[in-house]
Amino acid sequence: EADIYQTPRYLVIGTGKKITLECSQTMGHDKMYWYQQDPGMELHLIHYSYGVNSTEKGDLSSESTVSRIRTEHFPLTLESARPSHTSQYLCASSGPRTGGYNEQFFGPGTRLTVL
Amino acid sequence: QKEVEQNSGPLSVPEGAIASLNCTYSDRVSQSFFWYRQYSGKSPELIMSIYSNGDKEDGRFTAQLNKASQYVSLLIRDSQPSDSATYLCAVLNRDDKIIFGKGTRLHILP
Repeated sequence: EADIYQTPRYLVIGTGKKITLECSQTMGHDKMYWYQQDPGMELHLIHYSYGVNSTEKGDLSSESTVSRIRTEHFPLTLESARPSHTSQYLCASSGPRTGGYNEQFFGPGTRLTVL
Repeated sequence: QKEVEQNSGPLSVPEGAIASLNCTYSDRVSQSFFWYRQYSGKSPELIMSIYSNGDKEDGRFTAQLNKASQYVSLLIRDSQPSDSATYLCAVLNRDDKIIFGKGTRLHILP
């Protein structure tokens, strides 16, 4: 099973601030993902990466940006936080597809509140 | 048509009974299928993966796959109150992307 970490776990911040949500995994997985999820609602993919220097936007439009300079690290940045960004942000990773396996594992999430 | 469809529930099942969760998918060439459990306020946790037609058992959980019908199910035997959660079905599609359903809320009645 993958070990995947997110910091901070909780963040309360004022409007207009720049924030970076950290995500790291120790399994050497090529693929990493960011999802946004409101309470009781479905997961929305906002960004993904299939390797170093590769990033793509997901299905849900997001004002956030991501980078993938190292395999294990996939931070998400909001240049100017707004109350509409209040949500839970979940990072996930998955390994190479061998023998039909491509299991995706999630970090614990960051709950962001923008006042 | 949504790529992965689940009944949103809630599905209420008495404690000790079998809970049956269902999922259909649209991409006929999909090869990998997953069930995740998500407790309120927590992140999804992978509980079952299945790749071949038929049944796969792990403890109280059984995943069933029927590729001809494009149908995946999860059975939970001897349901416990701790099984109350949202269960997400996920499918690896032809673009090598994992697509999640909206989830089924399961409530085990003590």
